[in-house]
Amino acid sequence: DTAVSQTPKYLVTQMGNDKSIKCEQNLGHDTMYWYKQDSKKFLKIMFSYNNKELIINETVPNRFSPKSPDKAHLNLHINSLELGDSAVYFCASSQTWKGTDTQYFGPGTRLTVL
Amino acid sequence: AQSVTQLDSHVSVSEGTPVLLRCNYSSSYSPSLFWYVQHPNKGLQLLLKYTSAATLVKGINGFEAEFKKSETSFHLTKPSAHMSDAAEYFCVVTPVSGTYKYIFGTGTRLKVLA
Repeated sequence: DTAVSQTPKYLVTQMGNDKSIKCEQNLGHDTMYWYKQDSKKFLKIMFSYNNKELIINETVPNRFSPKSPDKAHLNLHINSLELGDSAVYFCASSQTWKGTDTQYFGPGTRLTVL
Repeated sequence: AQSVTQLDSHVSVSEGTPVLLRCNYSSSYSPSLFWYVQHPNKGLQLLLKYTSAATLVKGINGFEAEFKKSETSFHLTKPSAHMSDAAEYFCVVTPVSGTYKYIFGTGTRLKVLA
């Protein structure tokens, strides 16, 4: 199936650990995104890559580091996890980085930091 | 700057009655506007989008929305609610030029009563 996929779906870890979330899209899109959804369901963009180049970097702690090995993948690495990092993280992709383009979302990764 | 306001955090309707979810936006540029739906523990799915073509936009599952520039609104409607419509709905604004990033509303939880 053509889609945006994320692994893992659930991630439970201790404070201070380092973890990664992987995202892959097979839609042939040029642009990928990471969003954070907090406990109140509010969604906020964290990063965006176009053709492996960072184009959006919101005010995210530098403990969060995105990596795009190719156009189809955008991984999120988080160092020194904190309680406040607990959230659902969504990956998305779009054909280009234009505002008219539809973004297609992955199923989300629920991160719980204990 | 762009922003979007969803006027109701919760809406309850009876099955078979009309649905109205309200969204107002603020944008310095001509906006693109989207409605997404998120079912429990799922990713976001596009319902419909407006990108400066027809002001009345038809989407999936019987939903539609009308872009009203004079009222800066993009309300989502459906003539007859179905139990499967129960979900969280997000209105999104993005300019067609400038910074191409989604700005999400805070969401409206739709409850459908039998």
